Amino acid sequence: ETGVTQTPRHLVMGMTNKKSLKCEQHLGHNAMYWYKQSAKKPLELMFVYNFKEQTENNSVPSRFSPECPNSSHLFLHLHTLQPEDSALYLCASSQPGEGLLGTNEKLFFGSGTQLSVL
Amino acid sequence: GQNIDQPTEMTATEGAIVQINCTYQTSGFNGLFWYQQHAGEAPTFLSYNVLDGLEEKGRFSSFLSRSKGYSYLLLKELQMKDSASYLCAVLDSNYQLIWGAGTKLIIKP
Repeated sequence: ETGVTQTPRHLVMGMTNKKSLKCEQHLGHNAMYWYKQSAKKPLELMFVYNFKEQTENNSVPSRFSPECPNSSHLFLHLHTLQPEDSALYLCASSQPGEGLLGTNEKLFFGSGTQLSVL
Repeated sequence: GQNIDQPTEMTATEGAIVQINCTYQTSGFNGLFWYQQHAGEAPTFLSYNVLDGLEEKGRFSSFLSRSKGYSYLLLKELQMKDSASYLCAVLDSNYQLIWGAGTKLIIKP
């Protein structure tokens, strides 16, 4: 148990569907992240929120839309996805200022949502 | 560009020792992380190295050589539960994490 919970664990959707991924952290952290993990590829950072403000958007297509209503919850809204978007989507959190270097680099991950786009 | 290289897959025997290597070329260096990820589970933090040398933590040790851009994770007395993917990541000069693709470790009885 990492303190970061993601739902659903598995999701199958068609290219015209709209769905949302949910992440909740119980660690009192103020930074939250979305990562994409594809087989045999490095983790790809998608979005970063610090204190509910989006601080990074790594050229992610607009069919992915994040939402961070408070520092404990993070959503990823999905719309008109493509088959190449099939992957494991990981949420993570960290605490700015309290990491190993006084930054926020030590991450706590959820178990992910395995997404299949048909 | 920035790059992290680690073997895609390794196989080892229960009770033995295995070394998983990671080489990196990054814009600056503020430390190297190892994470463990069991299939279908969250990656979990194993170790952090920022100075050269060996850090030991029970059956797991992590080594760093900054001059060579090289690290390894050493797992001793392998157990079946050590079957997992091991992810290497480097914190660059902008405090961005650069990830390797991971090494899948298979433990055989």
